[in-house]
Amino acid sequence: GDSVTQMEGPVTLSEEAFLTINCTYTATGYPSLFWYVQYPGEGLQLLLKATKADDKGSNKGFEATYRKETTSFHLEKGSVQVSDSAVYFCALSGSGYSTLTFGKGTMLLVSP
Amino acid sequence: NAGVTQTPKFQVLKTGQSMTLQCAQDMNHNSMYWYRQDPGMGLRLIYYSASEGTTDKGEVPNGYNVSRLNKREFSLRLESAAPSQTSVYFCASSEWVNTGELFFGEGSRLTVL
Repeated sequence: GDSVTQMEGPVTLSEEAFLTINCTYTATGYPSLFWYVQYPGEGLQLLLKATKADDKGSNKGFEATYRKETTSFHLEKGSVQVSDSAVYFCALSGSGYSTLTFGKGTMLLVSP
Repeated sequence: NAGVTQTPKFQVLKTGQSMTLQCAQDMNHNSMYWYRQDPGMGLRLIYYSASEGTTDKGEVPNGYNVSRLNKREFSLRLESAAPSQTSVYFCASSEWVNTGELFFGEGSRLTVL
């Protein structure tokens, strides 16, 4: 079945550092890929998405590129802020009629 | 814009008690979901409703029941609560099951003693 593997956290960075959170997936066909973010005490919200190979999703300074050859969708940001501290979830929507498959989440902690 | 609204936000139960978590969305979405979130386990799907009138089991349905009351509302019931059901519960909705963009409520924190 479909699966998503994310790097374990927490990821601890200083403000203005470069961020990478790794995400790889296993799926048949051509899934769509997503990053969700969960701020403390809140529900998840969609951060960005990509629906086909080589697509780049971007939002709020975050980017991720759909790499079919490496089955990856790594999240990057050039300069993190304290307000980016949250849990980030990678997810995929498989071919056909199926619910989202989530990774376990990666906590990001950014210090001033 | 309310989006997805869950009630209650906090609840403490004793083992064996029952309760219902309520969820309502105002986005005219067809599909609705119940997840639980536990430390180190990520999000796990309990039940979902692909469209009004249908419900299906997710990854961890045991000990839960659901009702899709109408297009807006989807409730989750614990008939006999157990300590293992202590968790944060999230309701979500989407236009359809395979559209990928889910909208989440703020969560309901349940403690079973």
